[in-house]
Amino acid sequence: AQSVTQLDSHVSVSEGTPVLLRCNYSSSYSPSLFWYVQHPNKGLQLLLKYTSAATLVKGINGFEAEFKKSETSFHLTKPSAHMSDAAEYFCVVSDDYKLSFGAGTTVTVRA
Amino acid sequence: GAVVSQHPSWVICKSGTSVKIECRSLDFQATTMFWYRQFPKQSLMLMATSNEGSKATYEQGVEKDKFLINHASLTLSTLTVTSAHPEDSSFYICSVTGTTYNEQFFGPGTRLTVL
Repeated sequence: AQSVTQLDSHVSVSEGTPVLLRCNYSSSYSPSLFWYVQHPNKGLQLLLKYTSAATLVKGINGFEAEFKKSETSFHLTKPSAHMSDAAEYFCVVSDDYKLSFGAGTTVTVRA
Repeated sequence: GAVVSQHPSWVICKSGTSVKIECRSLDFQATTMFWYRQFPKQSLMLMATSNEGSKATYEQGVEKDKFLINHASLTLSTLTVTSAHPEDSSFYICSVTGTTYNEQFFGPGTRLTVL
């Protein structure tokens, strides 16, 4: 069985400051891990994915995530938040063809 | 990645009517498509896996007679919400499997409101 826990339901940052979204996973196998972003009333956009290659994964829009097997974590970071980063973020795990979504983290960015 | 469209983007209907939502893979032949629903401020929940040319596989707790799925071609899957009720109001999102088995590309979603 696979599952994801997003440790923060809401993160608020000032524009230009770092963003950290925390995610822990549980999986029976070597998982694939993803971060998706969803803007209001929109579909999901893939930010980045880990599939057993490099543990530090770089994604779009300046985001990156680090896979730490010992901590079963896959935290998402960005060094400098932009107003356009305000959205809902989902951590997702897959060890077969199905995806399991975390509950989501709402990011607000203060001017 | 694959480009996925959904139609309509939003729909309002009366209680008791049926609504059909289309999911199209525009540039990729999708043998497998997935249907999710998302309630406000909540995460996505997988409803069913749609396989081209065969019956869909429904997740536990999803009524297959209420949510009819048809995947008649490699580019089109449809979800029909039959006899819709206000509690069926939700955001419905489809996805297609990419070249790797666990990579999915999502459509823009369909907002269903049942009055």
